[in-house]
Amino acid sequence: EAGVVQSPRYKIIEKKQPVAFWCNPISGHNTLYWYLQNLGQGPELLIRYENEEAVDDSQLPKDRFSAERLKGVDSTLKIQPAELGDSAVYLCASSRLEGEQFFGPGTRLTVL
Amino acid sequence: SQQGEEDPQALSIQEGENATMNCSYKTSINNLQWYRQNSGRGLVHLILIRSNEREKHSGRLRVTLDTSKKSSSLLITASRAADTASYFCATEGGSNYKLTFGKGTLLTVNP
Repeated sequence: EAGVVQSPRYKIIEKKQPVAFWCNPISGHNTLYWYLQNLGQGPELLIRYENEEAVDDSQLPKDRFSAERLKGVDSTLKIQPAELGDSAVYLCASSRLEGEQFFGPGTRLTVL
Repeated sequence: SQQGEEDPQALSIQEGENATMNCSYKTSINNLQWYRQNSGRGLVHLILIRSNEREKHSGRLRVTLDTSKKSSSLLITASRAADTASYFCATEGGSNYKLTFGKGTLLTVNP
């Protein structure tokens, strides 16, 4: 089966600019996750979707971050405006429900 | 916030040797999972052990779980250069299926 697809793989922007990341989960996976991974750290959950519903967004900085999952398939994570501290790898993962999560390759964001 | 904490932070061994990594966590869990991340790539699921299990095997991997000590270990036997990667433990607890990752152990297997 095809894996989780993310784009772009790399993004370099100036601070205060907006940026968006896209994720296409594995077909049939109802649960979708966005994680942030800083260098030398493990991933930290930003938001989890069950179909179209965001069931856990407690770690999402809502003043500048937003996410959507229209039709319960693809998802987009947006940052507006980006800050220097947002430089990190943004990972998308999907799963059926509990248990194993399948991760995409991530988007490496650099904010200058 | 990180729930799990891996030990050691970095491990360097020779090909053919065994590698053992440990993970400690703080709160009760439903299951504990181990993931591998190669440089510049996404995470790959290795093995899941449920809270009522004590040991699990998968190929060259052996995972143990001690819920009384809130700790787990991952053993990789007969290591290969291709095993060079960062290894993360992740705990899933509560009813929301949330995975909380540790900071990882960087394993280097020298040929």
